[in-house]
Amino acid sequence: DADVTQTPRNRITKTGKRIMLECSQTKGHDRMYWYRQDPGLGLRLIYYSFDVKDINKGEISDGYSVSRQAQAKFSLSLESAIPNQTALYFCATSDPGLAGGHTDTQYFGPGTRLTVL
Amino acid sequence: GNSVTQMEGPVTLSEEAFLTINCTYTATGYPSLFWYVQYPGEGLQLLLKATKADDKGSNKGFEATYRKETTSFHLEKGSVQVSDSAVYFCASYSGGSNYKLTFGKGTLLTVNP
Repeated sequence: DADVTQTPRNRITKTGKRIMLECSQTKGHDRMYWYRQDPGLGLRLIYYSFDVKDINKGEISDGYSVSRQAQAKFSLSLESAIPNQTALYFCATSDPGLAGGHTDTQYFGPGTRLTVL
Repeated sequence: GNSVTQMEGPVTLSEEAFLTINCTYTATGYPSLFWYVQYPGEGLQLLLKATKADDKGSNKGFEATYRKETTSFHLEKGSVQVSDSAVYFCASYSGGSNYKLTFGKGTLLTVNP
């Protein structure tokens, strides 16, 4: 079984709808992240969480919210979807280990392809 | 803020050709540097990393050396295979209170038999 799973893998929705993307991990990592990938723009960080009680905005958090339900679960919501939120969304986890986060490797889920019509 | 600039693609090579994908960074202090690879239909996975100047990261025949004097971390492979076809992302992380792993825009590599 995959260590980082995302559901759904594909979703088509309409403008104005509320959408939730879910991420689960079995790696036992405290740190979790949500990114979006757009062609030619690389990956951009939406939100991140260093533990269950810690939620932080990334560089493009407007229009998104998150919930860290447990160490293993981190959900991303689009409160009112708009077409320019059409993208590939990735969840990732990491464990800073003894280095304190400076070198931690991130482990990515397979992605959710979201289309907003 | 931090930024990462990598060579724009797409890059198309024949099998067994030499590969270089250039990556330069701007950052305060001394960031850790990474190369991630994204195979078709999959998420990103770490290919290699280096945490200090002159470190060389290597994996699966790929190498990259952390060059502080040129702020570069170029990815190289001596003989590419069809299975290396993927998108490659350079990334940097400087730590601190505002976490941010900064990615380049990605370079699509296609290797033909």
